[in-house]
Amino acid sequence: DTGVSQDPRHKITKRGQNVTFRCDPISEHNRLYWYRQTLGQGPEFLTYFQNEAQLEKSRLLSDRFSAERPKGSFSTLEIQRTEQGDSAMYLCASSKYRDIVDTEAFFGQGTRLTVV
Amino acid sequence: EDQVTQSPEALRLQEGESSSLNCSYTVSGLRGLFWYRQDPGKGPEFLFTLYSAGEEKEKERLKATLTKKESFLHITAPKPEDSATYLCAVHIQGAQKLVFGQGTRLTINP
Repeated sequence: DTGVSQDPRHKITKRGQNVTFRCDPISEHNRLYWYRQTLGQGPEFLTYFQNEAQLEKSRLLSDRFSAERPKGSFSTLEIQRTEQGDSAMYLCASSKYRDIVDTEAFFGQGTRLTVV
Repeated sequence: EDQVTQSPEALRLQEGESSSLNCSYTVSGLRGLFWYRQDPGKGPEFLFTLYSAGEEKEKERLKATLTKKESFLHITAPKPEDSATYLCAVHIQGAQKLVFGQGTRLTINP
């Protein structure tokens, strides 16, 4: 399977704990995105990387959230001191940017986070 | 403020009953409009990209169209396996994010 891969698929954590999610994009894709989706809503943008550079962050991304993409390959999203409001599906997507044209973004299956 | 609104929120059809889903958008500049399908507990699955008014794309029983203010996803003679949430998203000029609508939950009864 050469699609976007996310790990873990499900995570249950206690309030106040730190969690880290991983995303492996499609290999030739240089853009990587993180989105958050709550029940009944469309995904909301969190942050975006082009290669290893984090170029855009949403106001939704508080200082408890940090994302990295070392060497422009896989990416991690860490949430520190989790709160119940962080419970959501965290989606990763990747796309290829060439000649000022963006190709479509392909999404992974998501990581479902439940904070208890 | 850039905004994407989908209607209806939910739609129930009988198998074979054709209909359309609407996505209206108010954005500062449109680079592209995307349709995705999402099954429960899974990530969105890419369906179509539309770039300019008048453009149409087709795939099996689905056809997407685009005007300057809205997009329609037409579903012809749907089957139960077409049941899913259909998401519309716009790619705005000057930004590298997709702005999604809230989705239309489509149920096709056999």
